[in-house]
Amino acid sequence: QVQLQQWGAGLLKPSETLSLNCAVYGGSFSGYYWNWIRQPPGKGLEWIGEINDSGTTNYNPSLKSRVSISVETSKNQFSLKLSSVTAADAAVYYCVRLVVKRRYYYYYYMDVWGKGTSVTVSS
Amino acid sequence: EIVLTQSPATLSLSPGERATLSCRASQSVSSSLAWYQQKPGQPPRLLIYDASSRATGIPARFSGSGSGTDFTLTISSLEPEDFAVYYCQQRTNWPPLTFGGGTKVEIK
Repeated sequence: QVQLQQWGAGLLKPSETLSLNCAVYGGSFSGYYWNWIRQPPGKGLEWIGEINDSGTTNYNPSLKSRVSISVETSKNQFSLKLSSVTAADAAVYYCVRLVVKRRYYYYYYMDVWGKGTSVTVSS
Repeated sequence: EIVLTQSPATLSLSPGERATLSCRASQSVSSSLAWYQQKPGQPPRLLIYDASSRATGIPARFSGSGSGTDFTLTISSLEPEDFAVYYCQQRTNWPPLTFGGGTKVEIK
C-alpha cells in the first residue's frame, strides 16, 4: 500500500521560505504526478503545483512566482518551496499522488494523500 | 481557469436519508471529474473518479453521475460516518487544477 510521509518546518516568520518534503513508500514513483495541495483553516482546498518523475512541473498561476517543486527520484521524494510567506500562506499542506488515465479523453484523480503539515506564519 | 461551483453549501439531513450534491463547471470537463470526502482533522479521501467510477473500498451507497458541466454525487442512504465535507475536482483544463468550494453534509 502506497504511503506518503511528509515533513518540514511548521512555524515560519513573515518573508521566510516554507520548505516541505514528501517521501513515497510502497509503490512506484514513476508514472504519476506528485502534487502539493493546501487548505487554510476552515476553508477549502487550493492546488499549489505538481511534478512528475521526469521533473516536469506545473504551478498554480496565482503562486507561480513564489513556488518551486523539485524531485529526487533516487530517494522517491519530492519537495515544495514557497518563498516570502505571509499570514495568508498559513494552512495545512498536503502532498498527494495524482493518477492520469486515458479513455478517449484524459481523466485524473488524487488517490493517495499525506497526513498534512500545519504551517503557521507569525512574527 | 475552470471554476467549479458546488451546491448547496450545507445540506442538513438525517441518517437514512438520500443526499444529492451538485457540482457545476464553468466549461466542459468531459467526464473528468472526481469527488472527495473530508472529515475534520483528516486529509480528503477519494470517493469517485471519472465522474461515476467508485474508488477502491468505497461503499455502493456512493454514486456519481454527469458529464460536460453538470455533475452529481448521490449518497443513497446516509450512514453516521457520511457526515462530512465533500469536494469536486477537475484537471481537464489546467493549470490550475481546481476544486469546488465544498458541500458540508450535516446532521439535521
